[in-house]
Amino acid sequence: LAKTTQPISMDSYEGQEVNITCSHNNIATNDYITWYQQFPSQGPRFIIQGYKTKVTNEVASLFIPADRKSSTLSLPRVSLSDTAVYYCLVGVRPARQLTFGSGTQLTVLP
Amino acid sequence: ETGVTQTPRHLVMGMTNKKSLKCEQHLGHNAMYWYKQSAKKPLELMFVYSLEERVENNSVPSRFSPECPNSSHLFLHLHTLQPEDSALYLCASSPNSLQATEAFFGQGTRLTVV
Repeated sequence: LAKTTQPISMDSYEGQEVNITCSHNNIATNDYITWYQQFPSQGPRFIIQGYKTKVTNEVASLFIPADRKSSTLSLPRVSLSDTAVYYCLVGVRPARQLTFGSGTQLTVLP
Repeated sequence: ETGVTQTPRHLVMGMTNKKSLKCEQHLGHNAMYWYKQSAKKPLELMFVYSLEERVENNSVPSRFSPECPNSSHLFLHLHTLQPEDSALYLCASSPNSLQATEAFFGQGTRLTVV
């Protein structure tokens, strides 16, 4: 089971780009990297998933270097409503993949 | 709205009560999950069901008893709980339990044990 390490917290200002990096040094060959967002008292919400290189969707980008030992979630032009906890998960089977760590508390300031 | 519905949203129960949490999804998913999230703690995976069969049980106390009568419904039966069991209980579903896929979470049931 690949262990992930993320910063405990980050602050940003509205309109800025935010990059949250996750380390996963013992990622396995078949593992995928997935990011979730969670607001207080709500269930996590899927943001993005990738295996290698770069993945982009309407809300975020995910950058994965060639060695796949880390990944960076990029949120363009954050707003106050992006204040949440962001989780990086690594695995292939959902029962393993959906093992959450402590996540990163992102606070967006006005 | 994620397509995963949990009821009730809030529940207060005494330590001698028996209650059940319900989760329902009509996304056509074959895997469903129960999580516990205590205050300021990471989500803890409690149970995984795939095609109505329980495939993982992460050493959860027997006072928590899951039931999955079909692939659309998941229950968590509660009895003789302790105050430390107060938490947000989350249900999730995914297309299957074998491949890396997006999981959908419900809004959770906020449980308070008094």
